[in-house]
Amino acid sequence: GQQVMQIPQYQHVQEGEDFTTYCNSSTTLSNIQWYKQRPGGHPVFLIQLVKSGEVKKQKRLTFQFGEAKKNSSLHITATQTTDVGTYFCAGRGTSYDKVIFGPGTSLSVIP
Amino acid sequence: DTGVSQDPRHKITKRGQNVTFRCDPISEHNRLYWYRQTLGQGPEFLTYFQNEAQLEKSRLLSDRFSAERPKGSFSTLEIQRTEQGDSAMYLCASSVLGGSEKLFFGSGTQLSVL
Repeated sequence: GQQVMQIPQYQHVQEGEDFTTYCNSSTTLSNIQWYKQRPGGHPVFLIQLVKSGEVKKQKRLTFQFGEAKKNSSLHITATQTTDVGTYFCAGRGTSYDKVIFGPGTSLSVIP
Repeated sequence: DTGVSQDPRHKITKRGQNVTFRCDPISEHNRLYWYRQTLGQGPEFLTYFQNEAQLEKSRLLSDRFSAERPKGSFSTLEIQRTEQGDSAMYLCASSVLGGSEKLFFGSGTQLSVL
């Protein structure tokens, strides 16, 4: 079955440093979504990527979808303490398929 | 927009007991998902519905787990003969098929099996 993997599992950065998390799927995806979960909270949708090679930006966050639609990345420029949390990628095999989550990357920001 | 509502927020039960959780999705959302999450892990897919139809149930899921969405609105997740390994946060999410299909999550039900 479809599996979604993420690295690294944990990342500790000094405030102001950049951060990147990588997501890989065992199968080709129709789209990929990214979610953020703050400690004690529930996952909150950040963005969805659909097209091969797509790049989207949200302020300091840059999201990429690989050409083969099997991998994705999230890059945060100049991290802030408000970026603390776990970032999950989530993919679906077809547009009508279920959403499968990766294990997440937990980001800690040292002020 | 009242969001996705889950009840109860916390449930403590003894091993062997049955428990039932309820999820009320956002009213116009036709898709409803159940996930299970343990500390440090990502949400694990359990099952999902489109309207009242259950489209898929995880093959890893024990037969002790069952879910319903009888009228295509709220959903219930029942766990029979609970085991300590069932202790987890149970998350419900809803979405609109055909739209951006982003998932809106509820705050979850934290189950502790003693």
